[in-house]
Amino acid sequence: ETGVTQTPRHLVMGMTNKKSLKCEQHLGHNAMYWYKQSAKKPLELMFVYSLEERVENNSVPSRFSPECPNSSHLFLHLHTLQPEDSALYLCASSQDLSRSRISGNTIYFGEGSWLTVV
Amino acid sequence: QKEVEQNSGPLSVPEGAIASLNCTYSDRGSQSFFWYRQYSGKSPELIMSIYSNGDKEDGRFTAQLNKASQYVSLLIRDSQPSDSATYLCAVRRRIGTGFQKLVFGTGTRLLVSP
Repeated sequence: ETGVTQTPRHLVMGMTNKKSLKCEQHLGHNAMYWYKQSAKKPLELMFVYSLEERVENNSVPSRFSPECPNSSHLFLHLHTLQPEDSALYLCASSQDLSRSRISGNTIYFGEGSWLTVV
Repeated sequence: QKEVEQNSGPLSVPEGAIASLNCTYSDRGSQSFFWYRQYSGKSPELIMSIYSNGDKEDGRFTAQLNKASQYVSLLIRDSQPSDSATYLCAVRRRIGTGFQKLVFGTGTRLLVSP
């Protein structure tokens, strides 16, 4: 069991549905991330929050909307998705990499949410 | 050119052999390097980190870094069937805003046969 928990683990949704993915970290970290992993593609960084402020948005379509109410919780709100959005969505956390002087500081992943859009 | 490149494999080795996984990166400003292991249907888990040139050993795993050649490798000695997984190389680098992030390769699939 990791210090980063994601729910739900599996989600099937229609293209007109609205759903949310939830992530909670118990590691005392102050940065949280959403990654997307599709078959045969590298992990794609979607959003980064540091100290509850969004610091990166990698040109993600607006049908994905993140929310970070505090340093322990992160949500990804989903609306009018497309079948090509079907993928594994991974949440991760770390100490803020930009402020950390520890070279080895890195990110730790949750177990992921498998999303299928039909 | 991809920021982090790995051969997708699969790399097949017999049980007990040494598995050698390689990774190259494009940004000379990269500071730290990581290897994650990802079993099928699971999330990536950190197995090694390295940030100085040379070798770093941890049990059966050895990470090697050559910043001049922009090359990172992972050696797995006495490979076991349980080592069969996809190994992701990740590079920590600074972006324009001063923020740092991890960039991942596509991963190399390792198959260890009994």
